[in-house]
Amino acid sequence: SQKIEQNSEALNIQEGKTATLTCNYTNYSPAYLQWYRQDPGRGPVFLLLIRENEKEKRKERLKVTFDTTLKQSLFHITASQPADSATYLCALLTDSWGKFQFGAGTQVVVTP
Amino acid sequence: DAGVIQSPRHEVTEMGQEVTLRCKPISGHDYLFWYRQTMMRGLELLIYFNNNVPIDDSGMPEDRFSAKMPNASFSTLKIQPSEPRDSAVYFCASSSGQWSSYNEQFFGPGTRLTVL
Repeated sequence: SQKIEQNSEALNIQEGKTATLTCNYTNYSPAYLQWYRQDPGRGPVFLLLIRENEKEKRKERLKVTFDTTLKQSLFHITASQPADSATYLCALLTDSWGKFQFGAGTQVVVTP
Repeated sequence: DAGVIQSPRHEVTEMGQEVTLRCKPISGHDYLFWYRQTMMRGLELLIYFNNNVPIDDSGMPEDRFSAKMPNASFSTLKIQPSEPRDSAVYFCASSSGQWSSYNEQFFGPGTRLTVL
């Protein structure tokens, strides 16, 4: 299985700034990489998917990049808001059926 | 659609007891996943089904864990006998076909299991 690393320390950021999270993996590059958001006491919610042949994907204030050479995905939240405070998890496709392996997640705290 | 439904939401039991967690996936979804989440180990995939057939159960920790999916609208995860180290939040998730919807997984609210 992959070793997936996400920043273990919480990211504290001021409202309006850009939050950047990293997801590093060690083995083969997955065909798909997803990002989820998880609020306390709730299940993860899908945000974005990026394929291995895509460099960048955007959705509203969210942007994901995928660098298969560096074995890294970056997740950006632009113009961050307190409502963006949550834990963000990356997930890598690990088989051809649809099995994903999740990273431990990074907590983001946006202060007004 | 009501989303993925899990029951119970909370379960407190004593060591050695049998625990059964239940999941109703989103109608029309043909993949169903069972995950366990703890602070120490994060979100771990236990088992997943495609069209009611178990595809990969390599994440099931040991023989005390078993999962079934008797039909497209219902799945159970059973722990027998339960142990304190099984305490965790158990999530069920479902998704539609592999080449559609980006394999987006829809998670249920989870079952918080405490084994005393």
